[in-house]
Amino acid sequence: AQSVTQPDIHITVSEGASLELRCNYSYGATPYLFWYVQSPGQGLQLLLKYFSGDTLVQGIKGFEAEFKRSQSSFNLRKPSVHWSDAAEYFCAVGAGDFGNEKLTFGTGTRLTIIP
Amino acid sequence: GAGVSQTPSNKVTEKGKYVELRCDPISGHTALYWYRQSLGQGPEFLIYFQGTGAADDSGLPNDRFFAVRPEGSVSTLKIQRTERGDSAVYLCASSPTDRGGTYEQYFGPGTRLTVT
Repeated sequence: AQSVTQPDIHITVSEGASLELRCNYSYGATPYLFWYVQSPGQGLQLLLKYFSGDTLVQGIKGFEAEFKRSQSSFNLRKPSVHWSDAAEYFCAVGAGDFGNEKLTFGTGTRLTIIP
Repeated sequence: GAGVSQTPSNKVTEKGKYVELRCDPISGHTALYWYRQSLGQGPEFLIYFQGTGAADDSGLPNDRFFAVRPEGSVSTLKIQRTERGDSAVYLCASSPTDRGGTYEQYFGPGTRLTVT
């Protein structure tokens, strides 16, 4: 069965600083990987996804992630964070016939931005 | 257009009672998913519908949980004999079917269920 580990429960960064959120996955086949963001009182919003091809994936809001098969990782990065990026971030791996019918999420990383 | 909607937004019930949670997917989306998110955890898959049929219900925790989607649009998650451990946010998502392609799940705001 697939699984996702997000080792950092909570991260605090200064506004304008760079950000990297870690994600490690376990899956027997080629993974379909996702990053979602959840703001208080809001639904989950997809930031980016990796299905195949280029291992560096660009997403919305200036985020990017890099798939590294050798490390079973899919870390999320942003060069300069904004106060509005404060939220909970979830990494997920998809399984099923088309690769994302059944998402398995990590426990999330809460991001706090300080001025 | 309208996103995924869920009603009610909050539901408080007593232990042992029956509850129904409703999900209205994005119009035209044939796939619908239910997840449960407990406090401090990521969403946990419950069930997935393709059209009217449950394609994968392997995440339903026990036979107290049941979901239907009779006309291939609106879905209802039903929980019988609720227990305090059922307290969580129940999330619904929908996606278009695109065989051979890639598609994302669009999530609703969730229903917060509290069992007292």
